[in-house]
Amino acid sequence: GESVGLHLPTLSVQEGDNSIINCAYSNSASDYFIWYKQESGKGPQFIIDIRSNMDKRQGQRVTVLLNKTVKHLSLQIAATQPGDSAVYFCAETPSNTGKLIFGQGTTLQVKP
Amino acid sequence: GAVVSQHPSRVICKSGTSVKIECRSLDFQATTMFWYRQFPKQSLMLMATSNEGSKATYEQGVEKDKFLINHASLTLSTLTVTSAHPEDSSFYICSARTGSSYNEQFFGPGTRLTVL
Repeated sequence: GESVGLHLPTLSVQEGDNSIINCAYSNSASDYFIWYKQESGKGPQFIIDIRSNMDKRQGQRVTVLLNKTVKHLSLQIAATQPGDSAVYFCAETPSNTGKLIFGQGTTLQVKP
Repeated sequence: GAVVSQHPSRVICKSGTSVKIECRSLDFQATTMFWYRQFPKQSLMLMATSNEGSKATYEQGVEKDKFLINHASLTLSTLTVTSAHPEDSSFYICSARTGSSYNEQFFGPGTRLTVL
């Protein structure tokens, strides 16, 4: 179903540390997942995606892990930088719908 | 490539007026466009899906007569908020999808609507 969040959880990390942002998705029929970064007043920016036939995918400084058994998605950011400060959303696409259903989001704060 | 623009970026209007927001795919043809609404400190909520040349499909709870969507060409979709009220104040974001990639959506920068 649709995900509605009233308050965004916050993750605060020290610059240079690794960050792990978690997401629980809702639809077991979802077969495509994406992580987006959203800075204040801007649209979502694609970070990394993963299909349901995979459990891990790596990009530049980012890794996405998918656990279909418990419907859990995580985003790992290595060597977090101040420019990584933003709100991060996971999104799922239920099979054959072409729609994106967004999770509630997590605010990442990077302390210098 | 795959750039989506929105116009205006922000708009302030009086209660009862109508506001039109444009979403354009600048360097590709968008067979499908999506409209989302985002309230402060909340997630993006899909409002409707529009396919070029056909009527939009609205999500449950979204009033189609209040949020008019037109997708007249492969590069332009418009959202008109009719008789806007303060509770319609929100961040409206569009995205576009090409015909070649079923899942990937490219997002616009959003439009901040404030209704006084």
